[in-house]
Amino acid sequence: GDSVTQMEGPVTLSEEAFLTINCTYTATGYPSLFWYVQYPGEGLQLLLKATKADDKGSNKGFEATYRKETTSFHLEKGSVQVSDSAVYFCALTPRNSGNTPLVFGKGTRLSVIA
Amino acid sequence: DTAVSQTPKYLVTQMGNDKSIKCEQNLGHDTMYWYKQDSKKFLKIMFSYNNKELIINETVPNRFSPKSPDKAHLNLHINSLELGDSAVYFCASSQTPGVGQPQHFGDGTRLSIL
Repeated sequence: GDSVTQMEGPVTLSEEAFLTINCTYTATGYPSLFWYVQYPGEGLQLLLKATKADDKGSNKGFEATYRKETTSFHLEKGSVQVSDSAVYFCALTPRNSGNTPLVFGKGTRLSVIA
Repeated sequence: DTAVSQTPKYLVTQMGNDKSIKCEQNLGHDTMYWYKQDSKKFLKIMFSYNNKELIINETVPNRFSPKSPDKAHLNLHINSLELGDSAVYFCASSQTPGVGQPQHFGDGTRLSIL
């Protein structure tokens, strides 16, 4: 079945450091890919998404590019802030259905220190 | 305006009791979901409803019974609560059809079984 693998955390960075969180996927067909963020005590918020190969999703300084050849969707940010501290989830849905549940990775906790 | 709202936010109860969690969305979406997040933050789909009809039931014990009175509401009733049911339960919704439609999440209900 479909699955998502993301790097183990926790990740601790100093403010203004560069962030990469790796995500790879296994899927039959051609999935849509997402990054969600969960701040402490809150629900999940969509951070960015991409629906086809070479698409780049971006939001709030975060970026991820849909790489079909490496089945990857790594999350990057050039300069993190303390307010970026959260748990980040990579996820996918199969392309051919709009109401299929998300398949999540296990989440990566990011802590940014001043 | 809250898009997906769940009540209660916290639920503490004893083993063997029956409890319900309510979810409402005001986004006009036609698909709603329940996810369970365990203590390690892993998220997994439990149920999916489209236009009040159950479309996915991911081998959840039949002590869990979802009910959708209309497409804006999806409630979750749990009978005979067990220690292993302690988790955070998230409701979500999305619009179909459409490739890459994001899901919108509530803030979660933290269920603790004593």
